[in-house]
Amino acid sequence: EPEVTQTPSHQVTQMGQEVILRCVPISNHLYFYWYRQILGQKVEFLVSFYNNEISEKSEIFDDQFSVERPDGSNFTLKIRSTKLEDSAMYFCASSWALAYTGELFFGEGSRLTVL
Amino acid sequence: GESVGLHLPTLSVQEGDNSIINCAYSNSASDYFIWYKQESGKGPQFIIDIRSNMDKRQGQRVTVLLNKTVKHLSLQIAATQPGDSAVYFCAEVTGGGNKLTFGTGTQLKVEL
Repeated sequence: EPEVTQTPSHQVTQMGQEVILRCVPISNHLYFYWYRQILGQKVEFLVSFYNNEISEKSEIFDDQFSVERPDGSNFTLKIRSTKLEDSAMYFCASSWALAYTGELFFGEGSRLTVL
Repeated sequence: GESVGLHLPTLSVQEGDNSIINCAYSNSASDYFIWYKQESGKGPQFIIDIRSNMDKRQGQRVTVLLNKTVKHLSLQIAATQPGDSAVYFCAEVTGGGNKLTFGTGTQLKVEL
């Protein structure tokens, strides 16, 4: 069964460092997303991406965040200068259509710990 | 504003019993809702969805009920099994279909 894969599974970084989280969405999917989940809290939307551009972003997704689809298979989330409060599990998701008609498939997440 | 919340943080049931997980939403304009299951250390997994023009939808061992009058959503799991132990989130589709707004989550614990 096709799946969304994410690397690394866990990254520890120092405050102020840049971090890149990587995702390989399901191959025929067109919509890509990043969500995050602070420990013990709900899953929060960060950004959606379609046709090589951001289609929507949340208030959390400030100038320190960026996304890129550098080739036909990868989808990355970059945090330019990490803060303690960026510590969370980051989930990548993909779908072949908008959520109304296309199920979102989530990866298993990348845990980011900022010290 | 938009918000989706759950009534109970933890639900404990006996194996074989039916489980009911509840969710309240506040955005009356929402027209599509999804239930997700999240096992420990994993990403959310789609369980079942429902559109606002329906009040009930059934899947395999799961049923979702939607009451638009009181803006309430529930997930019923029949004959709960140990493998059903997880956190369950309701989610509301917003932003033109680009965005899911998740509720807080309910931890379901199945006791043998």
